[in-house]
Amino acid sequence: ETGVTQTPRHLVMGMTNKKSLKCEQHLGHNAMYWYKQSAKKPLELMFVYNFKEQTENNSVPSRFSPECPNSSHLFLHLHTLQPEDSALYLCASSQVGAFANSPLHFGNGTRLTVT
Amino acid sequence: AQSVTQLDSHVSVSEGTPVLLRCNYSSSYSPSLFWYVQHPNKGLQLLLKYTSAATLVKGINGFEAEFKKSETSFHLTKPSAHMSDAAEYFCVVSDMGDMRFGAGTRLTVKP
Repeated sequence: ETGVTQTPRHLVMGMTNKKSLKCEQHLGHNAMYWYKQSAKKPLELMFVYNFKEQTENNSVPSRFSPECPNSSHLFLHLHTLQPEDSALYLCASSQVGAFANSPLHFGNGTRLTVT
Repeated sequence: AQSVTQLDSHVSVSEGTPVLLRCNYSSSYSPSLFWYVQHPNKGLQLLLKYTSAATLVKGINGFEAEFKKSETSFHLTKPSAHMSDAAEYFCVVSDMGDMRFGAGTRLTVKP
């Protein structure tokens, strides 16, 4: 058990669908992150939340909309996605604010396929 | 700006032989460095971290890494590979709140 739980593990959606990815951390951390992992590409940081406030949006298209209602929960709302958005979406958390050289703890990811 | 380069995209070893995964970094300040491992269909798991204490860092599962400032390297080693070590390994540099991931090295372990 990683301490960071992501649901669903797998998601297949059409380009006109609306879906949400969920992440929950049980580690008492105060920073949470969304990363995108595509085949043969480095891990891409998407969003960072520090004490529930968004502190970074790494030029992510508006079809991805994050939500952080509290320090333990993070959502990624998806709508009108493109096939190139198919990837593994990883959630992570850390202690003592965003980065500050503390290690990230990752969930097992949601494998998203856009058809 | 900082960056990290994993010198090999794929490393193949035989079970019981040593493992060496190479990582070079560039940073303007004193970075923290990490190695993560990712098994298929799993998230990234922290193997070890360097945060300006001892330059030789021991991690989980028998892995260790040595921080060499003069060479700007942080190579990951293990004396004897096990079949369960087959996975993707990521070197990460973190400096002044900016965390960068390497492209990853896929380790294959042959019986």
